[in-house]
Amino acid sequence: NAGVTQTPKFQVLKTGQSMTLQCAQDMNHNSMYWYRQDPGMGLRLIYYSASEGTTDKGEVPNGYNVSRLNKREFSLRLESAAPSQTSVYFCASSESIVGSGTYEQYFGPGTRLTVT
Amino acid sequence: EDQVTQSPEALRLQEGESSSLNCSYTVSGLRGLFWYRQDPGKGPEFLFTLYSAGEEKEKERLKATLTKKESFLHITAPKPEDSATYLCAVPYRTDKLIFGTGTRLQVFP
Repeated sequence: NAGVTQTPKFQVLKTGQSMTLQCAQDMNHNSMYWYRQDPGMGLRLIYYSASEGTTDKGEVPNGYNVSRLNKREFSLRLESAAPSQTSVYFCASSESIVGSGTYEQYFGPGTRLTVT
Repeated sequence: EDQVTQSPEALRLQEGESSSLNCSYTVSGLRGLFWYRQDPGKGPEFLFTLYSAGEEKEKERLKATLTKKESFLHITAPKPEDSATYLCAVPYRTDKLIFGTGTRLQVFP
């Protein structure tokens, strides 16, 4: 099992460019998440998906959109990149089901994004 | 406001020198507490889940404990390979987690 995979590993964008970060999990998990990690700020939730076909905003959703393509895949899109979006982005998945308890999340290796 | 605070921010230990990391939280109705290890340039790696006060979990040189207000990660006789950032997280609302900013541990030979 590969667990959670993310592409690309590194990306440099110019202000105003767009891109999509891809995430896939092979653990048959229901829930998937996108976080960003900045020095001194910890991991902050951007968007999450509790099940296929549903998405919801997290703590810092502005400037991002997501798509839960199927149970395995959850993508994050930056429509018009800004320098403030320079960060490390992590995707995670969990077998959590809303209303039945919270389970551990498993993380991908991250995408290091620089916006100039 | 739901909050998770970890201390110290950084910890330097000599190999074999035992110590503890703290994670305190202000979340009503705790539904679990999670510990993760994060190596530089990598994603967080799950270590433990604790669900109730008094619970303890162990893995090699690590032992996690939980009280009603905080959790400790005890590191016994650490080795250089234990050097990493240790994160704790608690659930809030549905199945979302709020993370602390972590403790960066360095163990020197």
